[in-house]
Amino acid sequence: QQQVKQSPQSLIVQKGGISIINCAYENTAFDYFPWYQQFPGKGPALLIAIRPDVSEKKEGRFTISFNKSAKQFSLHIMDSQPGDSATYFCAASPYRASAGGTSYGKLTFGQGTILTVHP
Amino acid sequence: DAGVTQSPTHLIKTRGQQVTLRCSPKSGHDTVSWYQQALGQGPQFIFQYYEEEERQRGNFPDRFSGHQFPNYSSELNVNALLLGDSALYLCASSRPQGREKGFGSGTRLTVV
Repeated sequence: QQQVKQSPQSLIVQKGGISIINCAYENTAFDYFPWYQQFPGKGPALLIAIRPDVSEKKEGRFTISFNKSAKQFSLHIMDSQPGDSATYFCAASPYRASAGGTSYGKLTFGQGTILTVHP
Repeated sequence: DAGVTQSPTHLIKTRGQQVTLRCSPKSGHDTVSWYQQALGQGPQFIFQYYEEEERQRGNFPDRFSGHQFPNYSSELNVNALLLGDSALYLCASSRPQGREKGFGSGTRLTVV
């Protein structure tokens, strides 16, 4: 129930095309869904995140679509560029409060999608 | 780069040895989490520190332990290293009551 399933494992897109990566989850306690971009030799960098009270969030060329009833969310990269070539991870975390303060829950990551954008 | 710094960047150890990895969170962040990322996999949560206490722990054995200091920096210790501990170890920090986690570039640990 803690898993986040991500597909596809790899994706090849032509420059200017749309890249779409999908994720599904089971744990209904998840209430924060970020997407991370990772280049070789670097740590993951936050791209965009969404809460389940909205169905879509757009930031520049990146859009998250969220379907709460289906427990699915996806990342759309419009006008894909060669510089977007990287590994993308979806993730999810629950809200978790601790006595005496607030401590947010751990991130559970998908398996990753290697995106290659050809010029 | 989210301002989280980790040291060392690379490390080679022999099976059975012990290792300590270090993390300095981004300025203004008070919560530190550690993740293990095996080659070709997504990061796996090890544990999270807040107010110098371990708040949550993932499915990792007791060989993995940690500490958070009053300045919010943190250490990850791994005892009795196994070949399977070879991975990229990532530190993430977040601000008080913040959901957004910034990651460092990680420490690449190789156990031979």
